[in-house]
Amino acid sequence: GAVVSQHPSRVICKSGTSVKIECRSLDFQATTMFWYRQFPKQSLMLMATSNEGSKATYEQGVEKDKFLINHASLTLSTLTVTSAHPEDSSFYICSASGTVLISNQPQHFGDGTRLSIL
Amino acid sequence: GENVEQHPSTLSVQEGDSAVIKCTYSDSASNYFPWYKQELGKRPQLIIDIRSNVGEKKDQRIAVTLNKTAKHFSLHITETQPEDSAVYFCAAAYTGGGNKLTFGTGTQLKVEL
Repeated sequence: GAVVSQHPSRVICKSGTSVKIECRSLDFQATTMFWYRQFPKQSLMLMATSNEGSKATYEQGVEKDKFLINHASLTLSTLTVTSAHPEDSSFYICSASGTVLISNQPQHFGDGTRLSIL
Repeated sequence: GENVEQHPSTLSVQEGDSAVIKCTYSDSASNYFPWYKQELGKRPQLIIDIRSNVGEKKDQRIAVTLNKTAKHFSLHITETQPEDSAVYFCAAAYTGGGNKLTFGTGTQLKVEL
């Protein structure tokens, strides 16, 4: 149990494009979803935490108007990178958390999305 | 907020040797300490975790120790194999407060033949 599906796995697009990344919990209800960004050879940095039906809570330094997060259902959260620029190129990973521990883990990770802005 | 420091940043060992990675955390409220293995371009995979009511946990070649007083925890890998080569991250969380994970900076482990 506790499968998290993230799509797309790879995106290459031109500067100025907006890109939407989807994160789905397939076999459990995710009351909370987390979005991370990981630059090469660096750690996972939390960008924002979203609770179903509420506005996302962004970490310091993360522009909420740049990274739009929607968590309208208990199984789907989306991250939209608006007007993406080369400096937004990174590996974006989502994770999901339910109301109870699943497999005794608090978070379950998606496979990540490699975003490359030309 | 929580701050997790991890050392070393790179670690090279000979196959069959042991590897130790250490982390310290700052928030005494943290009660869950997982270790993740991440291969290039992949998701982090949980390899072992420990909760604050336990001092040590072992799973085959992998063990984790926790010292709550000193706020540090360590990952021990024995009899290392080439397939253990990856980046390892420690993390800390307070599971009663939203399950937010704070990650360490990572350790690139290379197991040489």
